[in-house]
Amino acid sequence: GAVVSQHPSRVICKSGTSVKIECRSLDFQATTMFWYRQFPKQSLMLMATSNEGSKATYEQGVEKDKFLINHASLTLSTLTVTSAHPEDSSFYICSASMEIPTPYTFGSGTRLTVV
Amino acid sequence: DAKTTQPPSMDCAEGRAANLPCNHSTISGNEYVYWYRQIHSQGPQYIIHGLKNNETNEMASLIITEDRKSSTLILPHATLRDTAVYYCIVARNNAGNMLTFGGGTRLMVKP
Repeated sequence: GAVVSQHPSRVICKSGTSVKIECRSLDFQATTMFWYRQFPKQSLMLMATSNEGSKATYEQGVEKDKFLINHASLTLSTLTVTSAHPEDSSFYICSASMEIPTPYTFGSGTRLTVV
Repeated sequence: DAKTTQPPSMDCAEGRAANLPCNHSTISGNEYVYWYRQIHSQGPQYIIHGLKNNETNEMASLIITEDRKSSTLILPHATLRDTAVYYCIVARNNAGNMLTFGGGTRLMVKP
């Protein structure tokens, strides 16, 4: 089945620094990947849609200059949190799909803590 | 995409069937019903999906009403490891179409 690998699983960074999170589709090519954010005891909220070879589409209220998304290949999308602040501390999750109608597969998530 | 309504929490005894309901009264004809679950601090795990017919796999069964306005996920013999938040999502089955998560149902399986 489809496997989506996300790395790192946990990261702690200092305020003002940048953090990069990788999302890889291991055994399939993903034209589209999605990035979600989840705060404690809340549901997943879509941040952006990442399309291979083009600019990402961000949801309303998500700062594109703060959350940089790069989808340079059909198997890799990256999310970079720039100039991180404590309020960016959250659980970040990516997802991707093989050719439809296979359902979307999610990565294992990245717990970001900004101190 | 259509919105869904799920009870916020449910309990189930270990070994018994867990029946998780979902209302999706505004579902469109080309929208599927998906079920995912999320165990604490992990990414969502796909369980099952369907359009109009009932579906069964090694994890669960999905019962969709004839008018498609509601569905039930059935875990036939719940175990402690099935304790998780279960999300019912309706979405078109198109490439590039994202899944929108609601509040889900927190299922607690008790010994």
